[in-house]
Amino acid sequence: NAGVTQTPKFQVLKTGQSMTLQCAQDMNHNSMYWYRQDPGMGLRLIYYSASEGTTDKGEVPNGYNVSRLNKREFSLRLESAAPSQTSVYFCASRLASGDTQYFGPGTRLTVL
Amino acid sequence: QQQVKQSPQSLIVQKGGISIINCAYENTAFDYFPWYQQFPGKGPALLIAIRPDVSEKKEGRFTISFNKSAKQFSLHIMDSQPGDSATYFCAARAYTGTASKLTFGTGTRLQVML
Repeated sequence: NAGVTQTPKFQVLKTGQSMTLQCAQDMNHNSMYWYRQDPGMGLRLIYYSASEGTTDKGEVPNGYNVSRLNKREFSLRLESAAPSQTSVYFCASRLASGDTQYFGPGTRLTVL
Repeated sequence: QQQVKQSPQSLIVQKGGISIINCAYENTAFDYFPWYQQFPGKGPALLIAIRPDVSEKKEGRFTISFNKSAKQFSLHIMDSQPGDSATYFCAARAYTGTASKLTFGTGTRLQVML
């Protein structure tokens, strides 16, 4: 099992460019999450998907959109990147009956 | 609004010493309190977790102490080792309908010196 995988690992964008961060899990988990991690601010929830076909906003959703493509995949899209979106982005997943969220290795995004 | 407050921001401990990280929360709807460990360049990984119906949980050198009335919980690392050097996050879980969400503390960077 690969667990939670994220692509790309690193990305540099110019202000105004768009991109999609990909996340996939092979653990048959129901719930998936997108977080951003910034120094001194911990991990903040951007969007989550409690189950296939549903998505909801988290604490910091502005400037982002998500798609739960199927049970395995949950993507995060930046339509018009801004320097404030420079961060490390983590995807996580959880089994519906479980407590633990399992995290991917992260995508380090820099917006110039 | 920071619902889970974590301290200290950074901690330096000698090898063999005890590392203590504290967290406090306000929301009484939280029902599960995990600690995550993160090494540089990696994603966070669950270290240990506790539910509010117990006051302490121990796994090896790692112990969570939980004080429900004070709405505080802490992580104790006994006999700290250089390999424990990492960033530690406390978190708390609440449900919105059927969706469970974690709220994280701001993290503590632990450095264990030889």
